[in-house]
Amino acid sequence: AQKITQTQPGMFVQEKEAVTLDCTYDTSDPSYGLFWYKQPSSGEMIFLIYQGSYDQQNATEGRYSLNFQKARKSANLVISASQLGDSAMYFCAMREGWYGNNRLAFGKGNQVVVIP
Amino acid sequence: SQTIHQWPATLVQPVGSPLSLECTVEGTSNPNLYWYRQAAGRGLQLLFYSVGIGQISSEVPQNLSASRPQDRQFILSSKKLLLSDSGFYLCAWSPPGLATEQYFGPGTRLTVT
Repeated sequence: AQKITQTQPGMFVQEKEAVTLDCTYDTSDPSYGLFWYKQPSSGEMIFLIYQGSYDQQNATEGRYSLNFQKARKSANLVISASQLGDSAMYFCAMREGWYGNNRLAFGKGNQVVVIP
Repeated sequence: SQTIHQWPATLVQPVGSPLSLECTVEGTSNPNLYWYRQAAGRGLQLLFYSVGIGQISSEVPQNLSASRPQDRQFILSSKKLLLSDSGFYLCAWSPPGLATEQYFGPGTRLTVT
């Protein structure tokens, strides 16, 4: 079964506007972590943000914030004030379990194109 | 600061030829190491991970193998490449213990012809 679901089609967003990328996950483990990565056309995977399942507050890193809705099993990424350099594929990933198990399961990604 | 290197950056190999991709990490000790593959237009698939020297766990049965001869060195190999082995191979590392971050190398683009 798919553990991470990202189903949005490619998105166009106006520069300086905010964009929300959807991610839903499936796990029965109470201990897990959620990651977001950015992959520009160069191919490198850039770590953006992390949210632990026991974290009480939504994670934020600069212009990135994670809207964590545990009951809905949702971990949407919000990019505020979009910049042209934000054009990329964005991947949501999940780590299940605790120590000794750091494997990540990735979604299929969301394509974002920022237009001036 | 920590740095992760991968080489080569690109590789074109004929079917049936061997493969060796190398990954090294600097600036950390006893990292967890991972090999992922990304097919064109797809997400990442975990192939192997290692929590220490000589300790390799395989996620997907295939004609690939991995080895960790040194603490910060991770090697992906194949004796005979298949067309389906084409893809973008990414090495990653995370600090020992619980991963709240995982960092990727620049990747190797492999084309099997």
